[in-house]
Amino acid sequence: KNQVEQSPQSLIILEGKNCTLQCNYTVSPFSNLRWYKQDTGRGPVSLTIMTFSENTKSNGRYTATLDADTKQSSLHITASQLSDSASYICVVSVGNNDMRFGAGTRLTVKP
Amino acid sequence: NAGVMQNPRHLVRRRGQEARLRCSPVKGHSHVYWYRQLPEEGLKFMVYLQKENIIDESGMPKERFSAEFPKEGPSILRIQQVVRGDSAAYFCASSPRAIRGGGPYNEQFFGPGTRLTVL
Repeated sequence: KNQVEQSPQSLIILEGKNCTLQCNYTVSPFSNLRWYKQDTGRGPVSLTIMTFSENTKSNGRYTATLDADTKQSSLHITASQLSDSASYICVVSVGNNDMRFGAGTRLTVKP
Repeated sequence: NAGVMQNPRHLVRRRGQEARLRCSPVKGHSHVYWYRQLPEEGLKFMVYLQKENIIDESGMPKERFSAEFPKEGPSILRIQQVVRGDSAAYFCASSPRAIRGGGPYNEQFFGPGTRLTVL
Protein backbone atom coordinates (compact mmCIF):
# COMPACT_ATOMS: atom_id res chain seq x y z
CA LYS A 1 0.00 0.00 0.00
CA ASN A 2 1.37 3.38 -1.00
CA GLN A 3 1.98 5.53 2.03
CA VAL A 4 1.02 8.66 0.09
CA GLU A 5 -2.46 8.46 -1.37
CA GLN A 6 -3.82 11.09 -3.71
CA SER A 7 -7.40 11.69 -4.78
CA PRO A 8 -9.06 11.89 -7.11
CA GLN A 9 -7.01 9.90 -9.57
CA SER A 10 -8.24 12.16 -12.36
CA LEU A 11 -10.39 15.25 -12.58
CA ILE A 12 -11.98 17.24 -15.40
CA ILE A 13 -13.12 20.81 -14.83
CA LEU A 14 -14.13 23.77 -16.95
CA GLU A 15 -11.82 26.70 -17.45
CA GLY A 16 -12.32 29.35 -14.78
CA LYS A 17 -13.56 26.92 -12.14
CA ASN A 18 -11.81 26.11 -8.88
CA CYS A 19 -10.74 22.66 -7.76
CA THR A 20 -9.14 20.94 -4.79
CA LEU A 21 -6.81 17.96 -4.88
CA GLN A 22 -6.22 15.78 -1.84
CA CYS A 23 -3.18 14.05 -0.41
CA ASN A 24 -3.30 11.72 2.61
CA TYR A 25 -0.15 10.22 4.01
CA THR A 26 0.71 7.68 6.66
CA VAL A 27 4.47 8.04 6.71
CA SER A 28 6.39 9.17 9.78
CA PRO A 29 8.35 10.89 11.03
CA PHE A 30 7.11 13.69 8.82
CA SER A 31 9.68 16.19 7.59
CA ASN A 32 7.99 18.20 4.85
CA LEU A 33 5.45 17.96 2.08
CA ARG A 34 5.82 19.18 -1.48
CA TRP A 35 3.38 19.58 -4.33
CA TYR A 36 4.73 19.27 -7.86
CA LYS A 37 3.13 19.97 -11.23
CA GLN A 38 4.10 17.64 -14.05
CA ASP A 39 3.10 18.64 -17.57
CA THR A 40 2.75 15.82 -20.08
CA GLY A 41 6.16 14.82 -21.34
CA ARG A 42 8.00 17.01 -18.84
CA GLY A 43 9.67 16.59 -15.49
CA PRO A 44 7.92 17.68 -12.28
CA VAL A 45 8.19 21.31 -11.20
CA SER A 46 7.89 22.33 -7.57
CA LEU A 47 4.83 24.39 -6.60
CA THR A 48 4.96 24.54 -2.81
CA ILE A 49 6.78 23.06 0.15
CA MET A 50 5.51 23.01 3.72
CA THR A 51 7.06 21.94 6.98
CA PHE A 52 5.29 20.63 10.06
CA SER A 53 4.55 24.08 11.43
CA GLU A 54 3.07 25.54 8.26
CA ASN A 55 -0.66 25.29 7.60
CA THR A 56 -0.89 27.02 4.26
CA LYS A 57 1.36 28.15 1.46
CA SER A 58 0.39 30.00 -1.71
CA ASN A 59 2.02 30.26 -5.10
CA GLY A 60 -0.09 32.43 -7.37
CA ARG A 61 -3.38 30.65 -8.02
CA TYR A 62 -2.15 27.56 -6.16
CA THR A 63 -2.75 27.28 -2.41
CA ALA A 64 -1.60 24.27 -0.43
CA THR A 65 -2.82 23.42 3.04
CA LEU A 66 -1.41 20.99 5.56
CA ASP A 67 -2.99 19.40 8.61
CA ALA A 68 -0.19 17.51 10.31
CA ASP A 69 -2.56 16.09 12.92
CA THR A 70 -4.78 14.33 10.41
CA LYS A 71 -1.90 13.86 7.94
CA GLN A 72 -3.78 15.49 5.14
CA SER A 73 -2.82 18.08 2.57
CA SER A 74 -4.79 19.74 -0.18
CA LEU A 75 -3.89 21.76 -3.23
CA HIS A 76 -6.48 24.33 -4.24
CA ILE A 77 -6.38 25.81 -7.73
CA THR A 78 -8.31 29.03 -8.24
CA ALA A 79 -9.74 30.27 -11.54
CA SER A 80 -8.30 27.37 -13.50
CA GLN A 81 -6.64 27.91 -16.85
CA LEU A 82 -6.08 25.52 -19.74
CA SER A 83 -2.38 25.50 -18.86
CA ASP A 84 -3.23 23.99 -15.48
CA SER A 85 -3.89 20.69 -17.24
CA ALA A 86 -1.20 18.42 -15.80
CA SER A 87 -0.52 15.80 -13.17
CA TYR A 88 -0.13 17.08 -9.63
CA ILE A 89 2.12 15.05 -7.40
CA CYS A 90 2.29 15.07 -3.61
CA VAL A 91 5.67 14.15 -2.12
CA VAL A 92 6.26 13.57 1.58
CA SER A 93 9.75 13.61 3.07
CA VAL A 94 10.23 11.11 5.86
CA GLY A 95 12.78 11.91 8.53
CA ASN A 96 16.09 12.72 6.91
CA ASN A 97 16.43 9.81 4.58
CA ASP A 98 13.45 9.19 2.35
CA MET A 99 10.90 10.75 0.04
CA ARG A 100 7.61 9.11 -0.81
CA PHE A 101 5.76 10.02 -3.98
CA GLY A 102 2.02 9.88 -4.53
CA ALA A 103 0.74 8.52 -7.83
CA GLY A 104 -0.60 11.95 -8.76
CA THR A 105 -3.91 13.46 -9.79
CA ARG A 106 -4.36 14.06 -13.48
CA LEU A 107 -6.21 17.35 -14.00
CA THR A 108 -7.79 18.28 -17.31
CA VAL A 109 -9.10 21.82 -17.77
CA LYS A 110 -11.53 22.14 -20.67
CA PRO A 111 -12.57 25.35 -22.41
CA ASN B 1 20.89 29.13 -16.55
CA ALA B 2 20.39 25.75 -18.13
CA GLY B 3 18.32 23.38 -16.05
CA VAL B 4 18.75 19.64 -15.82
CA MET B 5 19.40 18.19 -19.25
CA GLN B 6 18.61 14.63 -20.19
CA ASN B 7 19.32 12.84 -23.42
CA PRO B 8 18.14 11.24 -25.40
CA ARG B 9 14.54 12.32 -24.86
CA HIS B 10 13.28 9.17 -26.52
CA LEU B 11 15.12 5.87 -26.81
CA VAL B 12 13.95 2.70 -28.52
CA ARG B 13 15.73 -0.56 -27.88
CA ARG B 14 15.09 -4.18 -28.73
CA ARG B 15 15.06 -6.79 -26.02
CA GLY B 16 18.57 -7.74 -24.99
CA GLN B 17 20.20 -4.47 -26.05
CA GLU B 18 21.75 -1.93 -23.74
CA ALA B 19 20.19 1.43 -22.88
CA ARG B 20 22.35 4.32 -21.78
CA LEU B 21 20.62 7.39 -20.35
CA ARG B 22 22.49 10.60 -19.68
CA CYS B 23 21.80 13.40 -17.22
CA SER B 24 23.61 16.71 -16.95
CA PRO B 25 22.68 18.39 -13.66
CA VAL B 26 22.21 22.08 -13.08
CA LYS B 27 25.63 23.74 -13.15
CA GLY B 28 27.12 23.61 -9.68
CA HIS B 29 24.86 20.81 -8.44
CA SER B 30 26.76 17.80 -7.18
CA HIS B 31 23.79 15.65 -6.12
CA VAL B 32 21.90 13.60 -8.71
CA TYR B 33 18.82 11.41 -8.31
CA TRP B 34 17.29 8.98 -10.78
CA TYR B 35 13.61 8.06 -10.81
CA ARG B 36 11.50 5.73 -12.91
CA GLN B 37 7.89 6.40 -13.82
CA LEU B 38 5.76 3.65 -15.26
CA PRO B 39 2.63 4.61 -17.21
CA GLU B 40 -0.17 5.74 -14.92
CA GLU B 41 2.07 5.37 -11.87
CA GLY B 42 4.00 7.73 -9.62
CA LEU B 43 7.70 8.37 -9.60
CA LYS B 44 9.79 5.68 -7.96
CA PHE B 45 13.22 6.48 -6.54
CA MET B 46 16.06 4.45 -8.00
CA VAL B 47 19.44 5.83 -7.00
CA TYR B 48 21.11 8.87 -5.44
CA LEU B 49 24.64 9.82 -6.40
CA GLN B 50 27.06 12.49 -5.31
CA LYS B 51 30.05 13.15 -7.51
CA GLU B 52 31.84 9.82 -8.06
CA ASN B 53 29.91 8.13 -5.24
CA ILE B 54 26.71 6.13 -5.01
CA ILE B 55 25.00 7.24 -1.82
CA ASP B 56 21.78 5.25 -1.97
CA GLU B 57 20.85 2.65 -4.57
CA SER B 58 18.07 1.03 -2.59
CA GLY B 59 15.52 1.61 -5.35
CA MET B 60 17.56 0.21 -8.18
CA PRO B 61 17.18 -3.41 -9.34
CA LYS B 62 20.19 -5.46 -8.35
CA GLU B 63 20.74 -6.87 -11.81
CA ARG B 64 21.18 -5.19 -15.17
CA PHE B 65 20.97 -1.63 -13.78
CA SER B 66 23.92 0.54 -12.87
CA ALA B 67 24.54 4.25 -12.40
CA GLU B 68 27.53 6.49 -12.24
CA PHE B 69 28.30 10.18 -11.80
CA PRO B 70 31.92 10.72 -12.79
CA LYS B 71 34.04 13.65 -11.75
CA GLU B 72 33.72 15.05 -15.25
CA GLY B 73 30.69 14.63 -17.50
CA PRO B 74 27.08 13.66 -17.05
CA SER B 75 25.54 11.04 -14.82
CA ILE B 76 24.78 7.81 -16.66
CA LEU B 77 22.03 5.31 -15.96
CA ARG B 78 22.83 2.08 -17.76
CA ILE B 79 20.41 -0.76 -18.35
CA GLN B 80 21.88 -3.93 -19.77
CA GLN B 81 19.90 -6.59 -21.65
CA VAL B 82 16.71 -4.57 -21.58
CA VAL B 83 13.34 -6.29 -21.25
CA ARG B 84 9.88 -4.99 -22.10
CA GLY B 85 9.21 -4.24 -18.44
CA ASP B 86 11.97 -1.64 -18.53
CA SER B 87 9.82 0.55 -20.77
CA ALA B 88 9.18 3.68 -18.75
CA ALA B 89 10.09 7.33 -18.36
CA TYR B 90 13.33 7.85 -16.49
CA PHE B 91 13.75 11.19 -14.75
CA CYS B 92 16.87 12.71 -13.35
CA ALA B 93 16.91 15.43 -10.71
CA SER B 94 19.73 17.44 -9.19
CA SER B 95 20.19 19.53 -6.09
CA PRO B 96 22.93 21.79 -4.77
CA ARG B 97 22.87 20.07 -1.39
CA ALA B 98 21.74 16.70 -0.17
CA ILE B 99 17.97 16.58 -0.38
CA ARG B 100 18.10 13.74 2.09
CA GLY B 101 19.48 14.73 5.41
CA GLY B 102 19.33 18.38 4.43
CA GLY B 103 16.87 20.99 5.51
CA PRO B 104 13.34 21.21 4.18
CA TYR B 105 14.16 23.90 1.67
CA ASN B 106 16.77 21.93 -0.21
CA GLU B 107 15.04 21.67 -3.54
CA GLN B 108 15.62 19.23 -6.35
CA PHE B 109 15.14 20.19 -9.96
CA PHE B 110 13.91 17.65 -12.47
CA GLY B 111 14.94 17.10 -16.05
CA PRO B 112 12.48 16.46 -18.89
CA GLY B 113 12.98 12.71 -18.74
CA THR B 114 14.00 10.00 -21.17
CA ARG B 115 11.25 7.78 -22.50
CA LEU B 116 12.56 4.29 -23.03
CA THR B 117 10.60 1.91 -25.21
CA VAL B 118 11.69 -1.70 -25.42
CA LEU B 119 10.35 -3.56 -28.42
